[in-house]
Amino acid sequence: QTVVTQEPSFSVSPGGTVTLTCGLTSGSVSTNSYPSWYQQTPGQTPRTLIYSTNIRSSGVPDRFSGSILGNKAALTITGAQADDESDYHCVLYMGNGVWVFGPGTKVTVL
Amino acid sequence: QVQLQESGPGLVQPSQTLSLTCTVSGGSIIGNEIYWTWIRQHPGKGLEWIGYISHSGRPSCLPSLKSRLTMSVDTSQNQFSLRLSSVTAADTAVYYCARHYGDYHYFDYWGQGILVTVSS
Repeated sequence: QTVVTQEPSFSVSPGGTVTLTCGLTSGSVSTNSYPSWYQQTPGQTPRTLIYSTNIRSSGVPDRFSGSILGNKAALTITGAQADDESDYHCVLYMGNGVWVFGPGTKVTVL
Repeated sequence: QVQLQESGPGLVQPSQTLSLTCTVSGGSIIGNEIYWTWIRQHPGKGLEWIGYISHSGRPSCLPSLKSRLTMSVDTSQNQFSLRLSSVTAADTAVYYCARHYGDYHYFDYWGQGILVTVSS
């Protein structure tokens, strides 16, 4: 069974850059995986950041960007701010109408 | 602006059936390439896609839940529902309903979530 992978945690300095990845235990992520990214703070509903690999959702600052890096989807935060401290979830299309989320990455800004 | 709101019991006994409804407002539940979705989040864990259903009733779900899961749509009430049978403590989670916008393949609107605890 293929599982979606994400780094458990990342720490970034204010103003710094961090790249989170979303991969598969078997195979490669491509644009046909339609990766999307969601930001969630504790007790809150997830907020859409990026969809279809690299399209920024309405109202999302341009310091957030999505891409395919090698065989993974990636979310890059350029110029991190304190309120970027959150959990970040990716989800991938696995085929046959099935979507699978990764375990999430906790980002700390300090 | 589309809004979604989950409703249902917050406590379910083990081996019973968990039933939730999501009411959609601000837009019609009928739409091409729109899929009405259930996602859950176990305490302190990541998100888990459970499944989705189109307005015409065509479902798709996680294979691991298929034997226990029923999803339905009521277009007259602009609602969709989830029923998960034979629940255990492992089904304790915050359950979100969401809209999957198929043209761009993402979850664009989310409900606020409802905590369902499985316990006697």
